[in-house]
Amino acid sequence: EVQLVESGGGLVQPGRSLRLSCTGSGFTFGDYALSWVRQAPGKGLEWVGFIRGKTYGGTTENAASVKGRFTISRDDSKSIAYLQMNSLKTEDTAVYYCSRGNCASTSCYVGFDCWGQGTLVTVSS
Amino acid sequence: DIQMTQSPSSLSASVGDRVTITCRASQSISNYLNWYHHKPGKAPKLLIYAASSLQSGVPSRFSGSGSGTDFTLTISSLQPEDFATYYCQQSYNTPWTFGQGTKVEIK
Repeated sequence: EVQLVESGGGLVQPGRSLRLSCTGSGFTFGDYALSWVRQAPGKGLEWVGFIRGKTYGGTTENAASVKGRFTISRDDSKSIAYLQMNSLKTEDTAVYYCSRGNCASTSCYVGFDCWGQGTLVTVSS
Repeated sequence: DIQMTQSPSSLSASVGDRVTITCRASQSISNYLNWYHHKPGKAPKLLIYAASSLQSGVPSRFSGSGSGTDFTLTISSLQPEDFATYYCQQSYNTPWTFGQGTKVEIK
């Protein structure tokens, strides 16, 4: 069964850091782009960033709202992608989801067909 | 950035109703348009990709159409499990933006 599981969420103070993990199973992890999406309380889905699959060099892109603070990486040998979140702000409070996509460099024709259940990050003093 | 605008933001419907949700892109995205269904506490689920292709395992009552800037998701006969929030997303170019969502509620 194709599956993604996020972990690492929790309560953190503003200005601190947190690292989320996204563990995949049931598929060849390195072949896929991994995207992070978040949903703040009472809000819609917001794209955070993604990391390309090995075919496209595993490079990353982030949304403007997190650029310079969040970094995405991956370890295909462990089938894990990471979202390193630094200088957290209260507005980063959200459920964070990872999803997989069979993507070209900046476009994904077939959408994101598998999502994790999400992990909650609460930024509060 | 490409802006995605969904309408309506919410609707009330009964089981068996035909429901239509629209999504408009601020510039042409060809057919790089996906539709998702999301329930609280659950993983979002891909329903339609490439504007009109039904994702494997998704019931045939779901259909999508459109290209360029205007897109539609149709549920031909609403079922109890379909009450949720629906999002469109463009995956033409980063940032891969979502519409604001359409909440489908029970009338």
